Amino acid sequence: AQTVTQSQPEMSVQEAETVTLSCTYDTSESDYYLFWYKQPPSRQMILVIRQEAYKQQNATENRFSVNFQKAAKSFSLKISDSQLGDAAMYFCAYVYGGATNKLIFGTGTLLAVQP
Amino acid sequence: DVKVTQSSRYLVKRTGEKVFLECVQDMDHENMFWYRQDPGLGLRLIYFSYDVKMKEKGDIPEGYSVSREKKERFSLILESASTNQTSMYLCASSIDRVRETQYFGPGTRLLVL
Repeated sequence: AQTVTQSQPEMSVQEAETVTLSCTYDTSESDYYLFWYKQPPSRQMILVIRQEAYKQQNATENRFSVNFQKAAKSFSLKISDSQLGDAAMYFCAYVYGGATNKLIFGTGTLLAVQP
Repeated sequence: DVKVTQSSRYLVKRTGEKVFLECVQDMDHENMFWYRQDPGLGLRLIYFSYDVKMKEKGDIPEGYSVSREKKERFSLILESASTNQTSMYLCASSIDRVRETQYFGPGTRLLVL
């Protein structure tokens, strides 16, 4: 079965510092996609970053980057220069690139940013 | 910008009531999804639809049904609400079923008494 594990229920970071959120997944597929979604308090969930498994280069989006280790099935999110607006629940998600796709979410990591 | 709206932010219903949650997207997306979000469990897929009048069961379809009569609208129906259906319900849409971003609505927090 395909699963996504986020082992850190809560994390905290000082403003302007860097934090890394962990995510591991279990799959026997080679064609898949990985995502990090952000859910701010009382606001809509939005995509932070997306990675195609066939790409070796790690995805980056401004202050957000991933460390994609395909062999280890690890997909961590690094947030640099943390800002107060980064405080949110972060979900890691996986989808298999086959016909019966379902986005499988981890249980989330609640990130607090301390001023 | 893609906009996904849900009919209610908060809803309180009684056990046994029939409950309708509606979702509308304005980007002509083919695919729409209903999830429930519970603390410690993440998001779990209830149903999804890849075309008008088409639907597929997700991981937890029991106690729910869906309707998609128009491309932009996807409704989740709780046939007879129960207290264990108290949850946050999120609707999402996407262009592609697999590789593309899903765009989420603001969520409906449902309390069943």
